[in-house]
Formats: sequence, structure tokens, C-alpha cells
Amino acid sequence: ETGVTQSPTHLIKTRGQQVTLRCSSQSGHNTVSWYQQALGQGPQFIFQYYREEENGRGNFPPRFSGLQFPNYSSELNVNALELDDSALYLCASSFGVINEQFFGPGTRLTVL
Amino acid sequence: DQQVKQNSPSLSVQEGRISILNCDYTNSMFDYFLWYKKYPAEGPTFLISISSIKDKNEDGRFTVFLNKSAKHLSLHIVPSQPGDSAVYFCAGFGNEKLTFGTGTRLTIIP
Repeated sequence: ETGVTQSPTHLIKTRGQQVTLRCSSQSGHNTVSWYQQALGQGPQFIFQYYREEENGRGNFPPRFSGLQFPNYSSELNVNALELDDSALYLCASSFGVINEQFFGPGTRLTVL
Repeated sequence: DQQVKQNSPSLSVQEGRISILNCDYTNSMFDYFLWYKKYPAEGPTFLISISSIKDKNEDGRFTVFLNKSAKHLSLHIVPSQPGDSAVYFCAGFGNEKLTFGTGTRLTIIP
């Protein structure tokens, strides 16, 4: 059974650029949730995808968008990057929206 | 509006003793609460959970207590082991999403 994987591991971008982060869900899981963890903070919910549809969104602006594909992998896109977007981005997969979430190792994004 | 709070950023405990990590919440609509453990360069891993209708759940060395009137939960680890050194997050689950606290760094002293 393959766990949750994320790519890339690290990424450096400059202000104003766009970034795409990727997540492969654990085998058998149909739900992916994305979180942003700023330094010294807990993970904050960005949004969740269930069966390719957005199912809930946290307090993040529209420049944070996502996709889920038929194989249940997912992308997080961030446009017009700001310095405060520097964080660890975590994705978590689960079978269904209320079951246990399994987290990937995260992508460390640095915005200069 | 921080709905889940962990007021102790760090905690050091002697190996073999009890570690007690605390968490407070303001949202009464959480269906259950979870504790996650996080090592550097890894994602959080689930440790133990408790339904909002229970007051205690135990799993091996880990016990979670929930005091609904005080809106407080705690994680007890006994005996503490060096491998328990990590950052611990408590989280509430409600409206199909997890709301995390800011974490407590636990260091077990050999």
C-alpha cells in the first residue's frame, strides 16, 4: 500500500509568480484535503476535494485553487504569490470526508 | 479566531515519567478530537482520537481525556520514551474539516 506522496519536496519562487503543488493520494482513498502550515503554527485547512469536486474551503483567497483528477490525485495552485505564502503545504487523503486523514510529507514553499 | 489552542509551545519530560499535553477549544460543534504527532520532514501522523460524547479514550501508552464543560482535552503519555520526542498537534473535527492547534514540542530527556 503506497502512502500519500507530494511533489516537489522544496520549491523557491519569487513574489508574483504562480506555483503548482502535487499530491498523490493513498491507494483506495477518494478525498484529498490541503493544509498550509506557516512557521510556528498548526496546519490550516485550505480546501478539500471529494470525487473531483471541491467540498469545503477554509479562509483562503481565490488565488488558491485546486483540482482533483479521476485517479484522485490532486493539485494545489497558487497565483500571484506573496511573501506570506511561504509555508509547508500538506495534503492528506482519506476514504470519504469523515474518515481518518493520512498526511503526506509536505512541500516546503519559499517565496522571495 | 483560533478555535483550538495549545498554550504550551514546549514541554520537557524525563524518560519514564508521564507527559501531559493540553489543548483548549472554543467551538462546541466539533464531532471529535484528534491528536497528531509530527517529526521533522514528515507529515503529521494520527495518534489517538476521542468522540465528543466520550470523556476518555485509551490506546496503549496514550490516553486522551475530554472535559466538555471546561472545553479542554489532554493527552497523557506514560511511560514517556525518547521516540516520543516530536511536535504534537491537537485538532477538532467538525463540518468535515480538521482545525488544528499550534502544536507543543515534546522533548523526552534520557
